[in-house]
Amino acid sequence: LAKTTQPISMDSYEGQEVNITCSHNNIATNDYITWYQQFPSQGPRFIIQGYKTKVTNEVASLFIPADRKSSTLSLPRVSLSDTAVYYCLVGGVGDDKIIFGKGTRLHILP
Amino acid sequence: DTGVSQDPRHKITKRGQNVTFRCDPISEHNRLYWYRQTLGQGPEFLTYFQNEAQLEKSRLLSDRFSAERPKGSFSTLEIQRTEQGDSAMYLCASSSGETIPIPHFGPGTRLTVL
Repeated sequence: LAKTTQPISMDSYEGQEVNITCSHNNIATNDYITWYQQFPSQGPRFIIQGYKTKVTNEVASLFIPADRKSSTLSLPRVSLSDTAVYYCLVGGVGDDKIIFGKGTRLHILP
Repeated sequence: DTGVSQDPRHKITKRGQNVTFRCDPISEHNRLYWYRQTLGQGPEFLTYFQNEAQLEKSRLLSDRFSAERPKGSFSTLEIQRTEQGDSAMYLCASSSGETIPIPHFGPGTRLTVL
């Protein structure tokens, strides 16, 4: 399973765009990249998943360069309620266990 | 609400007691996962079921831990002879049989061992 590296924490301000980058240098050909969000005392919540280039949904965008050795989660116009821990995961077909790292603690300031 | 549910949400017990947690996955999800999470850490994988078969167990799952999913629907996680180090949030997740599974997590059961 590919290991991921993320910043431990980030601060930003309301209304800003936040980009969280994740490194996964040994990603395998059939691996996908998945991001989760977790609020205190709650289970993680799926945000977005992608394989290459760009994926966008109503919550976020995911940018994946051609070499796929990193990915960037982009949160547009964040609010205080986006303060949470964000996890980047890498896994593919046949992976039975989804492995979480320590995540990035995002703190949104007013 | 048709999401993953867990019961109880909180459990306080004394060291040495046995505890059992229940997880009800999203209907028709054939994959079920258990994780443990301590403060400041990401969720740690414990075990995984596909239908009623337990296919993967982490080395974190000592002999005091046992999980079952007898009919391929709900699952239970039992901890025998609890220790203070077992205090954590126990998370359950389920996913369907899609090629790249996307586990959907429940709210968790917070265990405190005194």
